[in-house]
Amino acid sequence: DAGITQSPRHKVTETGTPVTLRCHQTENHRYMYWYRQDPGHGLRLIHYSYGVKDTDKGEVSDGYSVSRSKTEDFLLTLESATSSQTSVYFCAINRDNLYGYTFGSGTRLTVV
Amino acid sequence: AQRVTQPEKLLSVFKGAPVELKCNYSYSGSPELFWYVQYSRQRLQLLLRHISRESIKGFTADLNKGETSFHLKKPFAQEEDSAMYYCALGSRGAGSYQLTFGKGTKLSVIP
Repeated sequence: DAGITQSPRHKVTETGTPVTLRCHQTENHRYMYWYRQDPGHGLRLIHYSYGVKDTDKGEVSDGYSVSRSKTEDFLLTLESATSSQTSVYFCAINRDNLYGYTFGSGTRLTVV
Repeated sequence: AQRVTQPEKLLSVFKGAPVELKCNYSYSGSPELFWYVQYSRQRLQLLLRHISRESIKGFTADLNKGETSFHLKKPFAQEEDSAMYYCALGSRGAGSYQLTFGKGTKLSVIP
């Protein structure tokens, strides 16, 4: 266990429904990130957090919101899922530097 | 704005042949470059960071500021090297650290 878990691992949902993905860490790291991974696009940053209740937008934040009410949990919500949000979502944590990133195992989301 | 370019989507080499995965970057500040590897359906793992100048699993990468490149090299490819490789550029903002990734290169080592 790398100290970071994502749930669920797989999800299929219908267009227009809200979806929440969870990232949980046991490392007490300050920084948490959500990326999406798509063929031909690599990893793109959706949102990140630099502390409890402190979040900011990344490169592809439209259609997504996040919340961090506790150090250990970082939630990603798709307000109204669309087919373009079918992707693999990775969470990452970081203590306080650029080389300490640890990634989760990913959540494969399919929007039908 | 920072940008990372990996020109090859797919690179196929024979086992034992040399490997070079290309990475070019664009960044106005002092760059911090990394290589990440993702084996089939696994999480991303840090392979190399330019600051440490170390060799991991036989891979090396040298930062060339003049050419704004950070190519990943290995003299003799192994089948277990088959994976997705991402070059990443680190930046420090106001109270945050971020990685910007390239689009990735899939390395396929042919037995």
